[in-house]
Amino acid sequence: KQEVTQIPAALSVPEGENLVLNCSFTDSAIYNLQWFRQDPGKGLTSLLLIQSSQREQTSGRLNASLDKSSGRSTLYIAASQPGDSATYLCGVQGGSEKLVFGKGTKLTVNP
Amino acid sequence: GAVVSQHPSRVICKSGTSVKIECRSLDFQATTMFWYRQFPKQSLMLMATSNEGSKATYEQGVEKDKFLINHASLTLSTLTVTSAHPEDSSFYICSANNAGDTEAFFGQGTRLTVV
Repeated sequence: KQEVTQIPAALSVPEGENLVLNCSFTDSAIYNLQWFRQDPGKGLTSLLLIQSSQREQTSGRLNASLDKSSGRSTLYIAASQPGDSATYLCGVQGGSEKLVFGKGTKLTVNP
Repeated sequence: GAVVSQHPSRVICKSGTSVKIECRSLDFQATTMFWYRQFPKQSLMLMATSNEGSKATYEQGVEKDKFLINHASLTLSTLTVTSAHPEDSSFYICSANNAGDTEAFFGQGTRLTVV
């Protein structure tokens, strides 16, 4: 059974700082991994999708890496802004289209 | 990206009544949609897979008679919480993948409060 862990559970940084969020998973036989952002009381917004054959994906100030063999992914946020404050979720997809999620990292970027 | 619309965003109902939540794919067709439940400060937990034109597949521990799922068209899945109780209060979110695309898109979620 796939288990996904996200560390840290919460993170508070000053504006402008670069930061890294971590995601680990127990079963390396994945199809893809997706990073999402969730604002309080809202749904999930897809940030980056990494296929199992890929090592990283970039979108603007975001960069996600994937090391499938070690069961790890990182989300790098450059030059953080207060608007980046949200909960970031890592979702891992196996053979079916179902996603298994971690509990998320709550990020606060202070002005 | 593809758009998934979920309605209502918030609902309050009395114990014993039923509540229907809709999930629509606005600009694509989805043969499969997923329903998740999220408790405060917890991860999203998959409840069931909604299959267009056939019965839903429920995860272990999810009561199919309590959480009725209907996926009558390629753009609409509904989740009905029957005989709701306060412990059913939660945040329910649906997702769908565009055919042939592995990226999942989520609705805005529904906050259900049973009083």
